[in-house]
Amino acid sequence: ETGVTQSPTHLIKTRGQQVTLRCSSQSGHNTVSWYQQALGQGPQFIFQYYREEENGRGNFPPRFSGLQFPNYSSELNVNALELDDSALYLCASSLPNTNPLFFGEGSRLTVL
Amino acid sequence: RKEVEQDPGPFNVPEGATVAFNCTYSNSASQSFFWYRQDCRKEPKLLMSVYSSGNEDGRFTAQLNRASQYISLLIRDSKLSDSATYLCVVKGDQGGKLIFGQGTELSVKP
Repeated sequence: ETGVTQSPTHLIKTRGQQVTLRCSSQSGHNTVSWYQQALGQGPQFIFQYYREEENGRGNFPPRFSGLQFPNYSSELNVNALELDDSALYLCASSLPNTNPLFFGEGSRLTVL
Repeated sequence: RKEVEQDPGPFNVPEGATVAFNCTYSNSASQSFFWYRQDCRKEPKLLMSVYSSGNEDGRFTAQLNRASQYISLLIRDSKLSDSATYLCVVKGDQGGKLIFGQGTELSVKP
């Protein structure tokens, strides 16, 4: 498999709550990208982290934030959850500017 | 206009059929192109990269037309196991950002 692991696999939250999703990258990969995939849509780029710094961001509001740790694992945090945040959140790790990306199995978030 | 646009689905075909998916992209500076496959409620998985000269992997053939900003995927001799959503993907100019199309659902019937 890809060597990228995500947790939790499924979770349910209510509007206004906060959520943290986690991603362990493949050994040696110092770049982590996060994507959001709503039902019936393709994945949308949220942001990318390289060596603990944000290195590119998509069209997502500031309540979507992230972290990358020295071991290159990463977190995605979403504050003030909205119903439309219900989606599959995908993480991919890579070396910088390498193609293509290989994804973890994702975290499926449901906001009620 | 969406950055990557795909044929609307779903495509329902019998086993053994040949099916073609089309995709257009808006950024003429795009350099890398891929087809991903996504099974229901699973993560997208790389099917194949798309090269300028066109490339083939078994029953799958990918073509790229840079002048028309058009990508295609041809599946010959469809199998039941080919049933999935096929995502056209273009690498953006922002680092490793991938831009996905909406996806086209394929259902292969016996």
